[in-house]
Amino acid sequence: EPEVTQTPSHQVTQMGQEVILRCVPISNHLYFYWYRQILGQKVEFLVSFYNNEISEKSEIFDDQFSVERPDGSNFTLKIRSTKLEDSAMYFCASRQTGMGYEQYFGPGTRLTVT
Amino acid sequence: AQSVTQLGSHVSVSEGALVLLRCNYSSSVPPYLFWYVQYPNQGLQLLLKYTTGATLVKGINGFEAEFKKSETSFHLTKPSAHMSDAAEYFCAVTPNSGGYQKVTFGTGTKLQVIP
Repeated sequence: EPEVTQTPSHQVTQMGQEVILRCVPISNHLYFYWYRQILGQKVEFLVSFYNNEISEKSEIFDDQFSVERPDGSNFTLKIRSTKLEDSAMYFCASRQTGMGYEQYFGPGTRLTVT
Repeated sequence: AQSVTQLGSHVSVSEGALVLLRCNYSSSVPPYLFWYVQYPNQGLQLLLKYTTGATLVKGINGFEAEFKKSETSFHLTKPSAHMSDAAEYFCAVTPNSGGYQKVTFGTGTKLQVIP
């Protein structure tokens, strides 16, 4: 069964450093998403991406965040200057076109900012 | 704006007992509804979903949920709990019309199964 993959599974970085989290969505999906889950809290929407542009973003997704689909398979989330509060599990998701289709989630990248 | 409320952040049941996890949503129109499960240190796996049609939906691992529009609820049930059901369960909604259908999650319910 097709699945969303994410790399790395765990990333440790120092405050102020840039990180790039990578995702490979399911190949025939056209909608892509990033969510995050701070330890012990609920999963929160960050951004959705369609047709090579951001379609919706939350208030969490400020200027420090960016997304990109650099080629036909990868979907990345960049945090320019990490803060301690960026420590969380980041999930990538993808969905095929049409109504009612569920989002498929990747296994997540645990980001630890020290 | 849509929101999801899950009653009970922790639920404990005995092995073999009924599992009932509660979810209520708030939305101006009935949304699409989902239950996801998260096992420790793993990602989110879809258990079941309701979009249209039959209001009682069956999912994987013996779980089912019933959409009740009058109660704005989508409670998750399983007749007999197994040890392997211990996990965190998230109720979620997306809009049922247009848009890019971001998922709004509830706060989650951790299910403990006692032998």
